Amino acid sequence: GEDVEQSLFLSVREGDSSVINCTYTDSSSTYLYWYKQEPGAGLQLLTYIFSNMDMKQDQRLTVLLNKKDKHLSLRIADTQTGDSAIYFCAEIDQAGTALIFGKGTTLSVSS
Amino acid sequence: DTEVTQTPKHLVMGMTNKKSLKCEQHMGHRAMYWYKQKAKKPPELMFVYSYEKLSINESVPSRFSPECPNSSLLNLHLHALQPEDSALYLCASSQEGFGSPLHFGNGTRLTVT
Repeated sequence: GEDVEQSLFLSVREGDSSVINCTYTDSSSTYLYWYKQEPGAGLQLLTYIFSNMDMKQDQRLTVLLNKKDKHLSLRIADTQTGDSAIYFCAEIDQAGTALIFGKGTTLSVSS
Repeated sequence: DTEVTQTPKHLVMGMTNKKSLKCEQHMGHRAMYWYKQKAKKPPELMFVYSYEKLSINESVPSRFSPECPNSSLLNLHLHALQPEDSALYLCASSQEGFGSPLHFGNGTRLTVT
């Protein structure tokens, strides 16, 4: 079955870049997503990438997609304390009937 | 700010109570979803409505009953819940099912005593 894997924790210093990695199994996924969840809040759609793209940049966020290795990454430039949150990678399942989430990466930013 | 609004933000209910969670979106989206999220876990899909019709029910117990009165509103009726049902309940919407990005509300934090 489909599976999405992420490392569970990442700790960085304010001003550094953060890179959160994700691997997925379903090569037919059309879109891959990054969601951010702050404590006590819902999921915020950060960015998404269409499967025929290699890279997408949106202000401080850069998404890289390696379809051959089924690897997705989210780079946050100039990480701020407000970026501390859980980041979920997600893909659509093969049947197009579910959004499969990774377990989430907790990003901790220290000043 | 989220464009999917959920009420109430917090709910405490006893095991014999009946309550409802509400969700509203005005983005013209035609698919709406209920997810359940336990602490430090990813969200789990419960129900999907597409064009106001229930299209997916992920084997959810009958003590959870969804309702979609119109294309902007989604309710989740709760009855005879168990303490293990305590969780964050998230509503989401998308333009056309899972082929388009899901936009989530901030959730209702439910505690069953």
